Amino acid sequence: NAGVTQTPKFQVLKTGQSMTLQCAQDMNHNSMYWYRQDPGMGLRLIYYSASEGTTDKGEVPNGYNVSRLNKREFSLRLESAAPSQTSVYFCATGQESSYNSPLHFGNGTRLTVT
Amino acid sequence: QQPVQSPQAVILREGEDAVINCSSSKALYSVHWYRQKHGEAPVFLMILLKGGEQKGHDKISASFNEKKQQSSLYLTASQLSYSGTYFCGTESNTGFQKLVFGTGTRLLVSP
Repeated sequence: NAGVTQTPKFQVLKTGQSMTLQCAQDMNHNSMYWYRQDPGMGLRLIYYSASEGTTDKGEVPNGYNVSRLNKREFSLRLESAAPSQTSVYFCATGQESSYNSPLHFGNGTRLTVT
Repeated sequence: QQPVQSPQAVILREGEDAVINCSSSKALYSVHWYRQKHGEAPVFLMILLKGGEQKGHDKISASFNEKKQQSSLYLTASQLSYSGTYFCGTESNTGFQKLVFGTGTRLLVSP
């Protein structure tokens, strides 16, 4: 009963390197999200996917791409990492409408770009 | 635009009460509240819907004033386990759930 699983937990990249953050859920939720969390900034939405096959930009999409591989998996890709992308990244899932249902978060990926 | 939370931080003694406020410049349809402990993921506390009643469980409750676009979280007789950062997430009826989170309120409850 894992809920939302993110891999890796930690990552250090050099400027210009690329990587993909993975997120998988076993909650049968339609919606999936990627947030980043920086000190003093709260959680900011990068991209989201309302359902399998659809993705859309959030508040801070620049420098990122996403893939909704299937209902369970939603990945976030950094094509050319920059120090400004040093952050903690959270994947979350939710039912189709959050009006009366919560978001469920994974444990996060701590990324450092040097 | 991010909702504004106040205060930014609060220190309590065990058993004291606290109120955390969340204010938005946009018309709101719902407000979520989450608590995050250091190094962990945010955990859901409650949702308040436009037109809905005040919610609560145990000694944590919340209200939503849709006319003022504000929500408040009330922590009564605080316990050590209440320590953490509290975030409100607001939704403006965009047709899809896109929560915009506030910058958080740090709460420390000491013995």
